[in-house]
Amino acid sequence: DAGITQSPRHKVTETGTPVTLRCHQTENHRYMYWYRQDPGHGLRLIHYSYGVKDTDKGEVSDGYSVSRSKTEDFLLTLESATSSQTSVYFCAIRGGQGADEAFFGQGTRLTVV
Amino acid sequence: EDQVTQSPEALRLQEGESSSLNCSYTVSGLRGLFWYRQDPGKGPEFLFTLYSAGEEKEKERLKATLTKKESFLHITAPKPEDSATYLCAVQAITGNQFYFGTGTSLTVIP
Repeated sequence: DAGITQSPRHKVTETGTPVTLRCHQTENHRYMYWYRQDPGHGLRLIHYSYGVKDTDKGEVSDGYSVSRSKTEDFLLTLESATSSQTSVYFCAIRGGQGADEAFFGQGTRLTVV
Repeated sequence: EDQVTQSPEALRLQEGESSSLNCSYTVSGLRGLFWYRQDPGKGPEFLFTLYSAGEEKEKERLKATLTKKESFLHITAPKPEDSATYLCAVQAITGNQFYFGTGTSLTVIP
């Protein structure tokens, strides 16, 4: 397995509370991504990072923020969780320039009640 | 707009019955097309990268091919352990993002 660890693996939280998901890599890859996966929608990009403190939005970024203060860690924060953010969240990493494949973590199942 | 469409949504095969999964794509300049396998409760597992029309990649019972508009994942003599969801994704020359299809759920019956 690629050296990607997501934490927590499961979380139940209440509407309106802040939530932070963590992605940790040991591969020293430049690019890191956060996706959400929902039935009927497939994997949709939330945010991605192309270096320390360098991030950009994906197609479903509203309600989410990210931070990357170290190469190995990429944090996804839900500022005020809503039921529509109930989903499975995946982190992915990619090595460098060009069409390199992305490797995924095991996912975090988040339930907002 | 970059887009990926996979068909069929679901496929049931008898063990040993070969078939193909389709991935149609629209992208403003293809940098790469990727195939992944995803088992329930797990993250997608990388299978292949294809870069240009005419390219083929093989791994065990799987073979991926690419044309200018679509890719096929051919499964030869599948076994029950090949049961999974297969995802296709594209990356455009102009960006760092990957666009995924919704996947094909494959069930291979013993």
